[in-house]
Amino acid sequence: DQQVKQNSPSLSVQEGRISILNCDYTNSMFDYFLWYKKYPAEGPTFLISISSIKDKNEDGRFTVFLNKSAKHLSLHIVPSQPGDSAVYFCAAITPGGYNKLIFGAGTRLAVHP
Amino acid sequence: DVKVTQSSRYLVKRTGEKVFLECVQDMDHENMFWYRQDPGLGLRLIYFSYDVKMKEKGDIPEGYSVSREKKERFSLILESASTNQTSMYLCASSSRDRPRIYEQYFGPGTRLTVT
Repeated sequence: DQQVKQNSPSLSVQEGRISILNCDYTNSMFDYFLWYKKYPAEGPTFLISISSIKDKNEDGRFTVFLNKSAKHLSLHIVPSQPGDSAVYFCAAITPGGYNKLIFGAGTRLAVHP
Repeated sequence: DVKVTQSSRYLVKRTGEKVFLECVQDMDHENMFWYRQDPGLGLRLIYFSYDVKMKEKGDIPEGYSVSREKKERFSLILESASTNQTSMYLCASSSRDRPRIYEQYFGPGTRLTVT
């Protein structure tokens, strides 16, 4: 049973427009979330995170929104650029110590000119 | 600059072989992790280690073991490789120090094919 779900396997967006990637989770004990970006033949790299005490965190073109009541978070990329084309993974820190991450299945974003 | 390296980018092994995947980090991180990435399943945690000689099972440890004899090195061992272990294997490390306590740094991955 997947505790972190990314229901859209892929997303295609035009350059300059907004990309919105969604993530849902089932465990209300999760209190910290991260987004990772992965290019082919490379390991994932950290992009942005959010604590459950916040509902928004912004870093340049990237903003993550958290809706705790809906157990939903989203990553907004504005404006989208061709270099943003990658697989994006949503992840949550599991409670209980050790700072283990549990990942969603990923969404492949394609930004076309 | 943060660096996690993995011994091989691509590996082809036969069923039943013992396989060693090596990971080295140069950031003096306490925590190290091994994941496998499969299409539609994301990254799944196999084993992790929070200190030298310490190891904990992740979500899918069956068929794998690990070794951490030195702080910077974490090895994943497939005792008897099987075709269902064909996958991309990713190593990661993280610090126990705030503020980046939750961020994991990943290596480039090893694409293992078992025939």
